[in-house]
Amino acid sequence: GQNIDQPTEMTATEGAIVQINCTYQTSGFNGLFWYQQHAGEAPTFLSYNVLDGLEEKGRFSSFLSRSKGYSYLLLKELQMKDSASYLCAVRDLGNTPLVFGKGTRLSVIA
Amino acid sequence: EPEVTQTPSHQVTQMGQEVILRCVPISNHLYFYWYRQILGQKVEFLVSFYNNEISEKSEIFDDQFSVERPDGSNFTLKIRSTKLEDSAMYFCASSVPANTGELFFGEGSRLTVL
Repeated sequence: GQNIDQPTEMTATEGAIVQINCTYQTSGFNGLFWYQQHAGEAPTFLSYNVLDGLEEKGRFSSFLSRSKGYSYLLLKELQMKDSASYLCAVRDLGNTPLVFGKGTRLSVIA
Repeated sequence: EPEVTQTPSHQVTQMGQEVILRCVPISNHLYFYWYRQILGQKVEFLVSFYNNEISEKSEIFDDQFSVERPDGSNFTLKIRSTKLEDSAMYFCASSVPANTGELFFGEGSRLTVL
């Protein structure tokens, strides 16, 4: 089976940095994905990690440690529009479907 | 930019009725998926479809569900006899089996079963 854990809610201040953690247990591993989902909308792709280390994409970075079954999403220079749910998803093996965690609802406050 | 499109955006139906949700995946994508999200809960995998057949399905995808690709562009999800607990947002997604293999999601079809 697969188990993906992430905090339910976080609050951060505009302009600050926030780190959203994700831990996973899967029988195989072929990639970890982060998606952003605004309320009532579809998930949109943010980042992908398959090797250990940090992937940076503008204000967003994602880190992976396969040995620890751990990833985080780092958001810098927070803006109000970053208020959304952030979904951690894992692909088990090959091209199997993504399995999503419950998501972390981030509120950015002034 | 190419996108996944879904219709209808919202459907209200009576319990026991059949519902068909439609999706047009991105044209050069080869894998197609249906996920659902009950209000306030996580995005759950239902079924994946590749090479004109189901490649994987979850335990949620029981006999009341079916998928079809009736022509070269549409991908449909049919729920034969809807139950109250089928009320959810249904997302279609597609991907290519290359690069990251990320899923591109449509805007979703909200199904309300009364």
